[in-house]
Amino acid sequence: NAGVMQNPRHLVRRRGQEARLRCSPMKGHSHVYWYRQLPEEGLKFMVYLQKENIIDESGMPKERFSAEFPKEGPSILRIQQVVRGDSAAYFCASSIGDVSGELFFGEGSRLTVL
Amino acid sequence: AQKVTQAQTEISVVEKEDVTLDCVYETRDTTYYLFWYKQPPSGELVFLIRRNSFDEQNEISGRYSWNFQKSTSSFNFTITASQVVDSAVYFCALMSLTQGAQKLVFGQGTRLTINP
Repeated sequence: NAGVMQNPRHLVRRRGQEARLRCSPMKGHSHVYWYRQLPEEGLKFMVYLQKENIIDESGMPKERFSAEFPKEGPSILRIQQVVRGDSAAYFCASSIGDVSGELFFGEGSRLTVL
Repeated sequence: AQKVTQAQTEISVVEKEDVTLDCVYETRDTTYYLFWYKQPPSGELVFLIRRNSFDEQNEISGRYSWNFQKSTSSFNFTITASQVVDSAVYFCALMSLTQGAQKLVFGQGTRLTINP
């Protein structure tokens, strides 16, 4: 059973470009979480999604950031008009749904904005 | 509000020494989970342990052990006979079930360096 798959693992963008990060949850998992890790910091919750629904986006910046988890396909974290401060590692995690179930993290996508 | 404090930013020890990483948390919830994750230089997050707030038994797994003290809101992590491969950033995290979702609140991390 493959783990949580994130791609790309590394992404370089220039200021003003768009970044798209993808996350395929573990098989059978319908709950996806995105976390951001700024350099030298711990991870911070961004958004929690279930299939076709955003459940909690309390950690998402108000502008330029959006997330989706369509019925088919991976979850996408989209950052428009990137700025240098968006440079970070973005981690996706998935769970089966039950809060007592384990949360599995992907290996992260590292975004560098030049 | 939920908060996790890892007061030790960096620790450096010589191989084979024992080392304890501190974690103090704050929550008003009675039901919660505590976690430890390891982040090696390669960057991925490696799950180490999850502990339910109702289970205060200490746990040992090989060279790793965890001391959960609800009275002091601490969940400390000890590595016995440390090895160079233990060098990593270690994160303590708190998840409150009353928030519904599995939202983790992470500490700032402790960078552990084991010198040969």
